[in-house]
Amino acid sequence: EVQLVESGGGLVQPGGSLRLSCAASGLTFSNYWMSWVRQPPGKGLEWVANIKQDGSEKYYVDSVKGRFTISRDNAKNSLYLQMNSLRVEDTAVYYCAESGHWGQGTLVTVSS
Amino acid sequence: DIVLTQTPLSSPVTLGQPASISCRSSQSLVHSDGNTYLSWLHQRPGQPPRLLIYKISNRFSGVPDRFSGSGAGTDFTLKISRVEAEDVGVYYCTQATQLVTFGQGTRLEIK
Repeated sequence: EVQLVESGGGLVQPGGSLRLSCAASGLTFSNYWMSWVRQPPGKGLEWVANIKQDGSEKYYVDSVKGRFTISRDNAKNSLYLQMNSLRVEDTAVYYCAESGHWGQGTLVTVSS
Repeated sequence: DIVLTQTPLSSPVTLGQPASISCRSSQSLVHSDGNTYLSWLHQRPGQPPRLLIYKISNRFSGVPDRFSGSGAGTDFTLKISRVEAEDVGVYYCTQATQLVTFGQGTRLEIK
């Protein structure tokens, strides 16, 4: 069974930083593009970033470029999202996703 | 950026009756590799999304055959042949032909 388990969310002040992690199991992690997708409370889904199997290509939504960095460690079956200069509008549940599977999400709240 | 527009945004349906959701793209979703990376997701309240359909019409593992997808180019449709109570929630179309975008979501509710 494929499992994606996010961690690292929490409450942070505007301008602060957080690092999200996603631990993958039940799949050959190194075979898949991986993504981060977020969902503000009560709103729809927004793609944040994705990364190629070997980490050689990374793409971001415009609103996070220069602030967020996606990375992966295939030896540890793990995906990461380093989030800097956080803004109130970054408040959301952040999901780790492979094309067919999603984690349960981790809540990031940016507030003073 | 590719914009996906779903209609309707809300759909009250009677149990056992069919339902249909449309997704229109601002540009063709045919990738240079010949595939069309249009998928449908379902999200129940308080749950993460789950994949129903990928590449227009392929049902993901474990998805009941009452769900079907169709379309081509810029116009796509998700159909539920007979709505069941567990089908309530929000349905999203999503494309991965050019980066990734999502439709606004369609809320399916039981009349």
